[in-house]
Amino acid sequence: QSVLTQPPSVSGAPGQTVTISCTGDTTNIGTGYDVHWYQQLPGTAPKLLISSDNDRPSGVPDRFSGSKSGTSASLAISGLQTEDEAYYYCQSYDNSVRGAVFGGGTNLTVL
Amino acid sequence: QLQRWGAGLLKPSETLSLTCAVYGGSFSTYYWTWIRQAPGKGLEWIGEINHSGSTNYNPSLKSRVSISLDTSKNQFSLKLSSVTDADTAVYFCARGFHWHFDVWGPGTLVPVSS
Repeated sequence: QSVLTQPPSVSGAPGQTVTISCTGDTTNIGTGYDVHWYQQLPGTAPKLLISSDNDRPSGVPDRFSGSKSGTSASLAISGLQTEDEAYYYCQSYDNSVRGAVFGGGTNLTVL
Repeated sequence: QLQRWGAGLLKPSETLSLTCAVYGGSFSTYYWTWIRQAPGKGLEWIGEINHSGSTNYNPSLKSRVSISLDTSKNQFSLKLSSVTDADTAVYFCARGFHWHFDVWGPGTLVPVSS
């Protein structure tokens, strides 16, 4: 059972926009701790996609954006492309764990 | 860039040992982190160490985990004692900065089986 809750799967057609939610509570996202997002392609290590709620590392397309409100955060992917098919994980800091916590991951399928 | 090495197949009750080498960049600015992923499961933070040797561990693993570093070689290591089948996972080393992880090693699968 992950500390942060994500939908197991989402899907969309090429060119569409999808949103992946990440729900926490008052010991993590709700306290204002930053939310970060990672993309994991099959058989590879996760790659940092969004840091500090909505900062894109160099090289990440602006089709990817993040937002946060209350105890939840979201990752939006616009202009879906087939290469976006991957697992996406949210992550934050939790003050009861006193460390990093992750969501269970969301499998994005591009139809 | 991070590269790791360590033991492969383990038997229950043995100790898992992995080392990660850091190439390029400052060793002192970051928290050097271990994260694992059980087959078909999500990511789990194991713990971290900074350049001065200060550590933080996941409470669920704290009694069995030790992370150390060798600054002369720019390496950090993970030891997880008394492993069980539940410790079978891909283990990643990663660079932590303000509680996110911007550089990851390639990951190594450590099976535990009798």
